[in-house]
Amino acid sequence: DGGITQSPKYLFRKEGQNVTLSCEQNLNHDAMYWYRQDPGQGLRLIYYSQIVNDFQKGDIAEGYSVSREKKESFPLTVTSAQKNPTAFYLCASSGQGFGFGEAFFGQGTRLTVV
Amino acid sequence: DAKTTQPPSMDCAEGRAANLPCNHSTISGNEYVYWYRQIHSQGPQYIIHGLKNNETNEMASLIITEDRKSSTLILPHATLRDTAVYYCIVRPVRNDMRFGAGTRLTVKP
Repeated sequence: DGGITQSPKYLFRKEGQNVTLSCEQNLNHDAMYWYRQDPGQGLRLIYYSQIVNDFQKGDIAEGYSVSREKKESFPLTVTSAQKNPTAFYLCASSGQGFGFGEAFFGQGTRLTVV
Repeated sequence: DAKTTQPPSMDCAEGRAANLPCNHSTISGNEYVYWYRQIHSQGPQYIIHGLKNNETNEMASLIITEDRKSSTLILPHATLRDTAVYYCIVRPVRNDMRFGAGTRLTVKP
């Protein structure tokens, strides 16, 4: 089935460790996004990519890094520089051009740093 | 970038229509209005989108005012499963899709 997959669903890490969250899509979408969501809050844009080998910072990029080496994949690394990394992370993908069409979201990764 | 303003919460009786408003007074001519909803602890789900004409699909209807400065999402017969946070967003040409706080809709029996 076509879709967007995030893994793992739950992730625990010790403070000071880098951790990479996986996001894969087989929808042939050019654009991919990463969001962070804290309890009771909306989604905040971390990074987005409109095409392979290109990505742009969103509103809260500090302490995060991404790569877009393949169209299907957009991994997010939460570095030790991120002051408060415990959150729910969502990945999405969509088409390009005016109208873009709907964006598809993964089911999220809940990261807990202890 | 066009910003959206939505009421933080709304209630609706089961079986009645739920009308969720959104203001986007700074929207540009080529920006689309999109609606998504998020049920607790899940990824957001696309509902509907439009540019200037009213739109309807199997989930909802979208009414956009003639000046495009506001829109209303209509769930014609709300069910308990429609309880969720509803996000109205405006997508600019460069495709950086940003979400606000949304409206928490509670459908009550």
